[in-house]
Amino acid sequence: GEDVEQSLFLSVREGDSSVINCTYTDSSSTYLYWYKQEPGAGLQLLTYIFSNMDMKQDQRLTVLLNKKDKHLSLRIADTQTGDSAIYFCAEISSNTGKLIFGQGTTLQVKP
Amino acid sequence: DAGVTQSPTHLIKTRGQQVTLRCSPKSGHDTVSWYQQALGQGPQFIFQYYEEEERQRGNFPDRFSGHQFPNYSSELNVNALLLGDSALYLCASSTETGGWTGELFFGEGSRLTVL
Repeated sequence: GEDVEQSLFLSVREGDSSVINCTYTDSSSTYLYWYKQEPGAGLQLLTYIFSNMDMKQDQRLTVLLNKKDKHLSLRIADTQTGDSAIYFCAEISSNTGKLIFGQGTTLQVKP
Repeated sequence: DAGVTQSPTHLIKTRGQQVTLRCSPKSGHDTVSWYQQALGQGPQFIFQYYEEEERQRGNFPDRFSGHQFPNYSSELNVNALLLGDSALYLCASSTETGGWTGELFFGEGSRLTVL
Protein backbone atom coordinates (compact mmCIF):
# COMPACT_ATOMS: atom_id res chain seq x y z
CA GLY A 1 0.00 0.00 0.00
CA GLU A 2 0.90 3.64 -0.01
CA ASP A 3 2.35 5.04 3.19
CA VAL A 4 4.62 7.93 4.14
CA GLU A 5 6.24 8.16 7.57
CA GLN A 6 8.07 10.97 9.32
CA SER A 7 9.42 11.66 12.77
CA LEU A 8 7.04 13.97 14.63
CA PHE A 9 9.30 16.59 16.17
CA LEU A 10 12.69 18.25 15.68
CA SER A 11 14.23 21.04 17.74
CA VAL A 12 17.31 23.00 16.63
CA ARG A 13 19.13 26.20 17.53
CA GLU A 14 18.98 29.21 15.23
CA GLY A 15 21.87 29.08 12.75
CA ASP A 16 22.21 25.28 12.91
CA SER A 17 21.24 22.95 10.10
CA SER A 18 17.98 20.99 10.31
CA VAL A 19 17.49 17.60 8.74
CA ILE A 20 13.96 16.20 8.42
CA ASN A 21 13.63 12.59 7.35
CA CYS A 22 10.88 10.66 5.60
CA THR A 23 10.32 7.12 4.36
CA TYR A 24 7.80 6.08 1.73
CA THR A 25 6.54 2.80 0.35
CA ASP A 26 5.49 3.35 -3.27
CA SER A 27 8.63 2.51 -5.23
CA SER A 28 7.00 3.73 -8.45
CA SER A 29 6.46 7.27 -7.16
CA THR A 30 7.59 9.69 -9.84
CA TYR A 31 7.82 12.80 -7.68
CA LEU A 32 8.43 13.41 -3.99
CA TYR A 33 7.61 16.66 -2.25
CA TRP A 34 8.22 18.79 0.79
CA TYR A 35 5.42 21.08 1.90
CA LYS A 36 5.52 23.61 4.76
CA GLN A 37 2.56 24.56 6.94
CA GLU A 38 2.72 27.54 9.26
CA PRO A 39 0.21 27.89 12.12
CA GLY A 40 -3.29 28.61 10.87
CA ALA A 41 -2.24 28.47 7.24
CA GLY A 42 -2.54 26.16 4.28
CA LEU A 43 0.31 24.16 2.80
CA GLN A 44 3.08 25.77 0.79
CA LEU A 45 5.08 23.73 -1.71
CA LEU A 46 8.75 24.14 -0.74
CA THR A 47 10.49 21.90 -3.21
CA TYR A 48 10.17 18.62 -5.04
CA ILE A 49 12.48 16.05 -6.55
CA PHE A 50 11.98 13.78 -9.53
CA SER A 51 12.57 10.13 -8.78
CA ASN A 52 15.54 9.80 -11.14
CA MET A 53 17.50 12.41 -9.16
CA ASP A 54 19.61 11.83 -6.05
CA MET A 55 19.87 15.40 -4.88
CA LYS A 56 18.34 18.81 -5.49
CA GLN A 57 19.55 22.08 -4.01
CA ASP A 58 17.53 25.27 -3.84
CA GLN A 59 19.15 28.09 -1.83
CA ARG A 60 19.12 26.94 1.82
CA LEU A 61 17.22 23.74 1.01
CA THR A 62 18.82 20.45 0.01
CA VAL A 63 16.74 17.39 -0.80
CA LEU A 64 18.37 13.96 -0.80
CA LEU A 65 16.67 10.89 -2.25
CA ASN A 66 17.75 7.30 -1.66
CA LYS A 67 15.48 5.25 -3.91
CA LYS A 68 16.92 1.93 -2.77
CA ASP A 69 15.94 2.60 0.84
CA LYS A 70 12.88 4.71 -0.11
CA HIS A 71 14.25 7.49 2.08
CA LEU A 72 13.86 11.23 1.50
CA SER A 73 15.41 14.02 3.54
CA LEU A 74 15.17 17.79 3.67
CA ARG A 75 18.13 19.76 4.95
CA ILE A 76 17.65 23.41 5.87
CA ALA A 77 20.93 25.29 6.22
CA ASP A 78 21.29 28.20 8.65
CA THR A 79 17.87 27.56 10.17
CA GLN A 80 15.98 30.70 11.18
CA THR A 81 13.12 31.23 13.63
CA GLY A 82 10.90 31.88 10.63
CA ASP A 83 11.49 28.29 9.55
CA SER A 84 9.48 27.06 12.55
CA ALA A 85 6.55 25.20 11.05
CA ILE A 86 5.26 21.72 10.25
CA TYR A 87 6.99 20.06 7.31
CA PHE A 88 5.17 17.40 5.29
CA CYS A 89 6.77 14.87 3.04
CA ALA A 90 4.51 13.63 0.22
CA GLU A 91 4.65 11.22 -2.68
CA ILE A 92 2.50 11.11 -5.78
CA SER A 93 0.77 7.80 -6.31
CA SER A 94 1.69 6.51 -9.75
CA ASN A 95 -1.55 4.56 -9.91
CA THR A 96 -4.04 7.22 -8.95
CA GLY A 97 -2.19 10.53 -9.21
CA LYS A 98 -3.20 11.45 -5.68
CA LEU A 99 -0.77 13.03 -3.25
CA ILE A 100 -0.01 10.92 -0.15
CA PHE A 101 1.21 12.93 2.84
CA GLY A 102 3.14 11.94 5.92
CA GLN A 103 1.87 13.04 9.32
CA GLY A 104 4.26 15.99 9.43
CA THR A 105 7.37 16.95 11.38
CA THR A 106 7.12 19.94 13.69
CA LEU A 107 10.33 21.97 13.50
CA GLN A 108 11.02 24.16 16.51
CA VAL A 109 13.82 26.71 16.13
CA LYS A 110 15.18 28.13 19.37
CA PRO A 111 16.84 31.57 19.33
CA ASP B 1 -3.04 37.54 -8.64
CA ALA B 2 -5.30 35.96 -6.06
CA GLY B 3 -4.25 32.54 -4.94
CA VAL B 4 -6.61 29.81 -3.85
CA THR B 5 -9.46 31.22 -1.78
CA GLN B 6 -11.74 29.20 0.49
CA SER B 7 -14.88 30.05 2.41
CA PRO B 8 -15.91 30.05 5.13
CA THR B 9 -12.71 30.09 7.15
CA HIS B 10 -14.36 28.68 10.28
CA LEU B 11 -17.71 27.11 10.97
CA ILE B 12 -19.45 25.12 13.66
CA LYS B 13 -22.13 22.53 12.96
CA THR B 14 -23.93 19.87 14.98
CA ARG B 15 -24.07 16.16 14.31
CA GLY B 16 -26.43 15.21 11.51
CA GLN B 17 -26.29 18.58 9.79
CA GLN B 18 -24.97 19.23 6.31
CA VAL B 19 -22.17 21.59 5.28
CA THR B 20 -20.99 23.17 2.03
CA LEU B 21 -17.46 24.49 1.64
CA ARG B 22 -16.36 26.60 -1.30
CA CYS B 23 -13.12 27.05 -3.20
CA SER B 24 -11.93 29.37 -5.96
CA PRO B 25 -8.78 28.14 -7.68
CA LYS B 26 -5.75 30.17 -8.55
CA SER B 27 -6.04 32.03 -11.83
CA GLY B 28 -5.13 29.78 -14.75
CA HIS B 29 -5.80 26.56 -12.85
CA ASP B 30 -8.53 24.17 -13.95
CA THR B 31 -8.13 21.29 -11.50
CA VAL B 32 -9.31 21.30 -7.89
CA SER B 33 -8.49 18.74 -5.19
CA TRP B 34 -9.93 18.54 -1.70
CA TYR B 35 -8.11 17.25 1.35
CA GLN B 36 -9.15 16.64 4.95
CA GLN B 37 -6.59 17.38 7.64
CA ALA B 38 -7.47 16.13 11.12
CA LEU B 39 -5.66 17.69 14.06
CA GLY B 40 -2.06 16.50 14.24
CA GLN B 41 -2.28 14.56 10.98
CA GLY B 42 -1.24 15.02 7.40
CA PRO B 43 -3.84 15.89 4.76
CA GLN B 44 -5.90 12.99 3.39
CA PHE B 45 -7.07 13.09 -0.23
CA ILE B 46 -10.84 13.27 -0.64
CA PHE B 47 -11.30 13.79 -4.39
CA GLN B 48 -10.17 15.73 -7.42
CA TYR B 49 -12.24 17.55 -10.04
CA TYR B 50 -11.30 18.33 -13.61
CA GLU B 51 -13.63 19.49 -16.38
CA GLU B 52 -16.54 19.41 -13.93
CA GLU B 53 -16.06 15.67 -13.37
CA GLU B 54 -14.76 13.80 -10.34
CA ARG B 55 -11.52 12.34 -11.65
CA GLN B 56 -10.09 10.61 -8.58
CA ARG B 57 -11.50 9.73 -5.18
CA GLY B 58 -9.88 8.75 -1.90
CA ASN B 59 -11.27 6.49 0.83
CA PHE B 60 -14.15 8.68 1.93
CA PRO B 61 -17.81 7.66 2.23
CA ASP B 62 -20.53 8.86 -0.11
CA ARG B 63 -21.52 11.46 2.50
CA PHE B 64 -18.68 13.46 0.97
CA SER B 65 -19.60 14.84 -2.42
CA GLY B 66 -18.43 17.65 -4.59
CA HIS B 67 -19.02 19.74 -7.61
CA GLN B 68 -16.98 21.81 -10.01
CA PHE B 69 -18.49 24.71 -11.90
CA PRO B 70 -17.70 25.98 -15.42
CA ASN B 71 -15.53 28.74 -13.92
CA TYR B 72 -13.46 25.97 -12.23
CA SER B 73 -14.57 26.87 -8.71
CA SER B 74 -15.62 23.96 -6.56
CA GLU B 75 -17.78 22.96 -3.61
CA LEU B 76 -17.36 20.20 -1.07
CA ASN B 77 -20.55 18.93 0.57
CA VAL B 78 -20.67 16.72 3.62
CA ASN B 79 -23.99 15.23 4.72
CA ALA B 80 -25.02 13.68 8.03
CA LEU B 81 -22.05 15.18 9.87
CA LEU B 82 -20.24 13.09 12.46
CA LEU B 83 -17.98 14.27 15.26
CA GLY B 84 -15.07 12.71 13.37
CA ASP B 85 -15.64 15.05 10.45
CA SER B 86 -14.16 17.88 12.52
CA ALA B 87 -11.04 18.90 10.62
CA LEU B 88 -9.37 21.49 8.43
CA TYR B 89 -10.61 21.08 4.87
CA LEU B 90 -8.05 22.17 2.33
CA CYS B 91 -8.65 22.99 -1.28
CA ALA B 92 -5.74 22.76 -3.71
CA SER B 93 -5.68 23.92 -7.30
CA SER B 94 -3.40 23.01 -10.16
CA THR B 95 -3.20 22.83 -13.89
CA GLU B 96 -4.35 19.54 -15.36
CA THR B 97 -0.73 18.41 -15.58
CA GLY B 98 0.01 19.60 -12.08
CA GLY B 99 -2.86 17.50 -10.83
CA TRP B 100 -0.83 14.44 -11.85
CA THR B 101 2.60 15.74 -10.80
CA GLY B 102 1.55 17.03 -7.39
CA GLU B 103 2.33 20.71 -7.99
CA LEU B 104 -0.58 21.93 -5.95
CA PHE B 105 -1.35 25.37 -4.58
CA PHE B 106 -3.29 25.20 -1.33
CA GLY B 107 -5.80 27.57 0.18
CA GLU B 108 -5.76 28.37 3.89
CA GLY B 109 -8.55 25.96 4.57
CA SER B 110 -11.97 25.85 6.18
CA ARG B 111 -11.93 24.70 9.78
CA LEU B 112 -15.05 22.68 10.53
CA THR B 113 -16.03 21.85 14.09
CA VAL B 114 -18.84 19.35 14.62
CA LEU B 115 -20.46 19.37 18.07
